[in-house]
Amino acid sequence: GNSVTQMEGPVTLSEEAFLTINCTYTATGYPSLFWYVQYPGEGLQLLLKATKADDKGSNKGFEATYRKETTSFHLEKGSVQVSDSAVYFCALTPNNTDKLIFGTGTRLQVFP
Amino acid sequence: DAGITQSPRYKITETGRQVTLMCHQTWSHSYMFWYRQDLGHGLRLIYYSAAADITDKGEVPDGYVVSRSKTENFPLTLESATRSQTSVYFCASTDPGNEQFFGPGTRLTVL
Repeated sequence: GNSVTQMEGPVTLSEEAFLTINCTYTATGYPSLFWYVQYPGEGLQLLLKATKADDKGSNKGFEATYRKETTSFHLEKGSVQVSDSAVYFCALTPNNTDKLIFGTGTRLQVFP
Repeated sequence: DAGITQSPRYKITETGRQVTLMCHQTWSHSYMFWYRQDLGHGLRLIYYSAAADITDKGEVPDGYVVSRSKTENFPLTLESATRSQTSVYFCASTDPGNEQFFGPGTRLTVL
């Protein structure tokens, strides 16, 4: 079946540190891959996405590359800010559907 | 207001009662979804709808009922609430192949 596995949190970093949140997936066919962000007390917002192998999604300094050979879509940011503190969800939509399948989420805490 | 809204934002109820959570979107998106968010599980799909009068089960549909008589509304009903349905519920909408937009969530507590 289709599933997403992401690293457990919380991830605690100092401001300006480098961020990596690992995400791997299992899926048949060619899924689309997403990172969503949830700020405290809010709903989810799309952060970035990639729809085919080797695509790189990027937004607000965050990047993730669709790696089919390793079935991964790791989220990275070169220099985090306190305002990046949130829960980050990796997700996929299986081939030809719009049904999102989420990982369990990773809480990021950034301290000044 | 444009966008996707949910009501109520917070609800406390008792075991066995019927509860309806409302979702309304102003974009005329064809697809609408209900998810529940629980620690250790992320978000899981309860039901979805591809258009008015078309609904289908997601990953965790047991104990829930949905309807979609109008494109813009997608209510979720717990016919007889149980403690295991204590959760945060999110509604989302989209057109096929596009970004899903999420509502602000409803925090439901079943005592």
